[in-house]
Amino acid sequence: DSGVTQTPKHLITATGQRVTLRCSPRSGDLSVYWYQQSLDQGLQFLIHYYNGEERAKGNILERFSAQQFPDLHSELNLSSLELGDSALYFCASSVTSGGADTQYFGPGTRLTVL
Amino acid sequence: GENVEQHPSTLSVQEGDSAVIKCTYSDSASNYFPWYKQELGKRPQLIIDIRSNVGEKKDQRIAVTLNKTAKHFSLHITETQPEDSAVYFCAAIRPGYSSASKIIFGSGTRLSIRP
Repeated sequence: DSGVTQTPKHLITATGQRVTLRCSPRSGDLSVYWYQQSLDQGLQFLIHYYNGEERAKGNILERFSAQQFPDLHSELNLSSLELGDSALYFCASSVTSGGADTQYFGPGTRLTVL
Repeated sequence: GENVEQHPSTLSVQEGDSAVIKCTYSDSASNYFPWYKQELGKRPQLIIDIRSNVGEKKDQRIAVTLNKTAKHFSLHITETQPEDSAVYFCAAIRPGYSSASKIIFGSGTRLSIRP
């Protein structure tokens, strides 16, 4: 157990819908990262927040957005869902702001878009 | 844009033999290179990392080497065991403090250990 929690574990929804994925970082970690992992694919970095502020953006679609709240938990919002958005979404947390330290991954949320 | 190429995509080795996975990066400002292991249905877990001021790092059966000039780094697993079977990802990270960081993962290597 990494200490990073994600909810829900599984999510099944229809095309065009909107969902919110939640992540709570390890105690003491100020950075949260979001990744998308499609079937048999690598990890695509989406976005990085540090202490409530956006620090870096990767290959995140405009239909996706994220935020980090004062209690440091983060939410990833996915809207106008398409079949291709079906994937495993991981969040990870780390201590520093720069991204160059150990990232601890949560168990992931499996999103299925029908 | 910047990318990280990882080879091979699949690797099968006899138990007890060594396995080597290689990654090449393009962003010369990258200075942190972690390796993650992901077992089937589980989360990625860091197994070893290296920073640009070091050429090699070892942790028991696992080692990583870095050639900054050539912009490539490699994971070496010796005396492989069945529990080493997993997908391995490399990453190249340009840290950001006053500016945005850049985090790029390789496409992964599926390692299978034959008994």
